[in-house]
Amino acid sequence: GAGVSQSPSNKVTEKGKDVELRCDPISGHTALYWYRQSLGQGLEFLIYFQGNSAPDKSGLPSDRFSAERTGGSVSTLTIQRTQQEDSAVYLCASGGGYTEAFFGQGTRLTVV
Amino acid sequence: AQKVTQAQTEISVVEKEDVTLDCVYETRDTTYYLFWYKQPPSGELVFLIRRNSFDEQNEISGRYSWNFQKSTSSFNFTITASQVVDSAVYFCALSEARRGSYIPTFGRGTSLIVHP
Repeated sequence: GAGVSQSPSNKVTEKGKDVELRCDPISGHTALYWYRQSLGQGLEFLIYFQGNSAPDKSGLPSDRFSAERTGGSVSTLTIQRTQQEDSAVYLCASGGGYTEAFFGQGTRLTVV
Repeated sequence: AQKVTQAQTEISVVEKEDVTLDCVYETRDTTYYLFWYKQPPSGELVFLIRRNSFDEQNEISGRYSWNFQKSTSSFNFTITASQVVDSAVYFCALSEARRGSYIPTFGRGTSLIVHP
């Protein structure tokens, strides 16, 4: 497709389990962002990839969170030992670097 | 301190009213970018506009207009003759150079409810 694609759309997991969230950016976009949006809140920056440069991980809330981007395209956000406070919508976006970011539909994560 | 402040948490209007959503930002950079996004009930953020710090010219797109004023560090968004379909959460964002990269920082959003 032409837009940013995220999977799964919804994920329910038990506390303590690991989860992987996937993002397929728009083809050709060098920048990829992950944000988190908790209920009624704004967007919290998590991590940023730009080309082959080292990612900016400054927004990751704990060492349980990690992300990688393979081949400069698909990205996976992994949350280990999930906690209830991890419940949120995880948004992925891609862009040209300093231009606007285009967002996917998000993955709604619920930790029970 | 918040980099992007959207002081209006929620605004409720009746259809056909004009409405202005406020955005105040904070930066020490001379080069930066400002954005507005719309998040309808479906949840996906939709890009509306980008402005760079060197272009203070106001912009109009149909019923939407944007007023960028560096003197007051504001980038306000006006919807003229609002419609029910304008009901959404609107986010303002600021992108500054950060270790050579530009990463948007978002405000907390303004929820706009347009009643028929």
